Formats: sequence, structure tokens, C-alpha cells
Amino acid sequence: ELKVEQNPLFLSMQEGKNYTIYCNYSTTSDRLYWYRQDPGKSLESLFVLLSNGAVKQEGRLMASLDTKARLSTLHITAAVHDLSATYFCAVGMEYGNKLVFGAGTILRVKS
Amino acid sequence: EADIYQTPRYLVIGTGKKITLECSQTMGHDKMYWYQQDPGMELHLIHYSYGVNSTEKGDLSSESTVSRIRTEHFPLTLESARPSHTSQYLCASSGGRVQFFGPGTRLTVL
Repeated sequence: ELKVEQNPLFLSMQEGKNYTIYCNYSTTSDRLYWYRQDPGKSLESLFVLLSNGAVKQEGRLMASLDTKARLSTLHITAAVHDLSATYFCAVGMEYGNKLVFGAGTILRVKS
Repeated sequence: EADIYQTPRYLVIGTGKKITLECSQTMGHDKMYWYQQDPGMELHLIHYSYGVNSTEKGDLSSESTVSRIRTEHFPLTLESARPSHTSQYLCASSGGRVQFFGPGTRLTVL
């Protein structure tokens, strides 16, 4: 059974600081997704990582994937208040197109 | 970006009522999904469909049912709502590797 663990579950950080969110998963997968969710809103797709060593960057966010370690990271550079949200990683199951989600990381950036 | 719609956005209803949550997408995606999300928690897959007349139960057991008569439409029905059904329900669709999510329906059963 595929399990996805994120840590930390809650992150409070000052503006301008850097931090990393970790996503570990338990079984083989070739697809890793990062989504953002604002309070009371739906999920917005941030990154799709499809191969070992994949790295994608958008603004202050950078995501990477190590399929051998079954680990993805979401790195935040010089955080700003607008990044405050909940970030979910999701792992594609080996067969079909189903996703298993992590518990989410609540990020609060303080000015 | 996919256009995916859910109605109603908010619903407060009494115990025992039958409800249908609507989900429609205009992208022609074959795959559609329903997730349940309690506040501040992860998403759990409750139903999915890979095409017309194809529906499967997800990883989280649910008393709801779904149908897929048309590609663009994937409604979810609760025959008799209970307070334990109070949650947010998110619909998603996919034409490739990425799932695009609708705005969600926040359901409260009194």
C-alpha cells in the first residue's frame, strides 16, 4: 500500500528566509505532484515531476525528485507572505492514474 | 488550465435528505475523480471513472454513489445524508498526467 508522508506538517517562517518541505513515499512511483491550496479554496497544480533527478522551479519555489530515495523536496527561497498556503505532495500509483496525497504542510510566512 | 465546475459550492442540509453534488468539465477529459477532504486534512479518493459507464470505488470507503453517463458529467449522490458526511468534496479531471481540481462543495449535514 502506497503511503505518503510530508514533513513538517506546520511551518511558520519569517519573510526572506529559506526552508524545505519533504515528501517521502513508500513504494515505487514515477510521478510526483505538488499542489497548493489556499484556505477554503481548491487545489492548484504547482509541479509535476516525472523522472529521477527532475528539478522544476517557478518563482521562489523549486521542487526536486529522487526516485531511488523515494523523496521529493519543495524548497522555498526568500519567502514572502503570498506564499502562505497549504502545500500537498501527491504520488501517482503504479497502475492507473490515481493519486495518494500527503497530509499537507501548512505554511505561514510572517512579515 | 482545465475548466471544471462544481455545484453547489456550499450546502447545509438536514439528516436523511438525498443530495446530489454536481461536477462538470469542459475539457473532454476521460478520467474524473471525487475526493473527500476534512478541514486541514489530506484528500482521500472516494470514487473515480476512466470513461463513460466506468466507475470504481476509491481508497476511502464512502456511502455515496456516482454515475458517468456523459464524458463531461460526474455527479455524486448521497441517498440519506448524515452528520458524518459533513466534509468538503472535491472533483477532479485528467486528460493526461495532471489532475485539475474543481472549486469544491462544502457540505454540512445537521
